[in-house]
Amino acid sequence: DSGVTQTPKHLITATGQRVTLRCSPRSGDLSVYWYQQSLDQGLQFLIQYYNGEERAKGNILERFSAQQFPDLHSELNLSSLELGDSALYFCASSRANYGYTFGSGTRLTVV
Amino acid sequence: DAKTTQPNSMESNEEEPVHLPCNHSTISGTDYIHWYRQLPSQGPEYVIHGLTSNVNNRMASLAIAEDRKSSTLILHRATLRDAAVYYCILRVTYSGAGSYQLTFGKGTKLSVIP
Repeated sequence: DSGVTQTPKHLITATGQRVTLRCSPRSGDLSVYWYQQSLDQGLQFLIQYYNGEERAKGNILERFSAQQFPDLHSELNLSSLELGDSALYFCASSRANYGYTFGSGTRLTVV
Repeated sequence: DAKTTQPNSMESNEEEPVHLPCNHSTISGTDYIHWYRQLPSQGPEYVIHGLTSNVNNRMASLAIAEDRKSSTLILHRATLRDAAVYYCILRVTYSGAGSYQLTFGKGTKLSVIP
């Protein structure tokens, strides 16, 4: 157990639907990062939050949004889902002078 | 973002040392060098990081060239569990404790032969 908790582990949904992925960072970590990993693709950075505020944006589609709550957990919202959104979504958290700690991911399948 | 270059794949025999190279010729003075690995169907795992000096931990050693334009991750005795994709990344630091961005490349796929 890395200390970063992601739920759900698996999600199957239909095209056009909306889903929410949840991430609880490791205790004490203020930063949360979201990454997308499609089949045979590298990890694509989506967005970062630091202590409740958006800090950096990567290749995140307009159909996707995220937020970090006062208790520091984060949610990634994916809407108007397309087949190409099927991927593993990872959340990571970090603290000063240390590396990222990743969760075990949410596998999203859009059918 | 500063880029890193790694071989696509490498092979090692079990119980032998493995040296995974990484070139980062455009590294800036404040960029930390991070290494992560990802086992199949798992999230990436932090391995080691450093700035200028060589670093050791229970998982591996990191050797950084004097000019910092390259580094080498050293696994002292490869096991079958070390078979993974290894990523060498330059950390871009933002303000705020623990706030920085990591851009993952393709990494090196390490195969360990029994």
